[in-house]
Amino acid sequence: LAKTTQPISMDSYEGQEVNITCSHNNIATNDYITWYQQFPSQGPRFIIQGYKTKVTNEVASLFIPADRKSSTLSLPRVSLSDTAVYYCLVGDMIIGGSSSNTGKLIFGQGTTLQVKP
Amino acid sequence: EAQVTQNPRYLITVTGKKLTVTCSQNMNHEYMSWYRQDPGLGLRQIYYSMNVEVTDKGDVPEGYKVSRKEKRNFPLILESPSPNQTSLYFCASSGGGEKLFFGSGTQLSVL
Repeated sequence: LAKTTQPISMDSYEGQEVNITCSHNNIATNDYITWYQQFPSQGPRFIIQGYKTKVTNEVASLFIPADRKSSTLSLPRVSLSDTAVYYCLVGDMIIGGSSSNTGKLIFGQGTTLQVKP
Repeated sequence: EAQVTQNPRYLITVTGKKLTVTCSQNMNHEYMSWYRQDPGLGLRQIYYSMNVEVTDKGDVPEGYKVSRKEKRNFPLILESPSPNQTSLYFCASSGGGEKLFFGSGTQLSVL
């Protein structure tokens, strides 16, 4: 299982772009990279998922270099409501897929993002 | 509405008194899992289930039991709770890949 390392905390100001990087040096060929957002007293919420290069949705972008040993979650023009904990998860849990898949998931400690006015 | 429902939201109990935290999903997901969240330690997986009648240990299974008799339900059982199991617990389900849907959490205090 790929272990992930993220910064414990980050500060930013409203309107700025925030980039959170996750290191996963022993990522496996079949692993996907998934990011979650968690607000206080709530369960984590899926933000974005990717395998390689760049993925963008209405909330964020995910940049993955060619060697896939790291990934960067990019939040454009953050607001106060983006203050949350962000988790990076690496795994190959494909339901009903090959026998090599596993449901065992290891989350990192997460990055607490504080957005200031 | 697609959701994962956990009950209860808050629970205070005493050491040794058996308890069950229920988890139900209405998305027909095959995969379900339980996590505990403690300050500074992030989310740690307790148990997971790839399908009905199939369960396996996560990172921190000691002191917990689970069962998966039907697809929608995945209860977490603490046969003899201890104070070190005081934590925030989350249930999650997935229909594929690492896109997990989480419940709202259960705050457990064991006195």
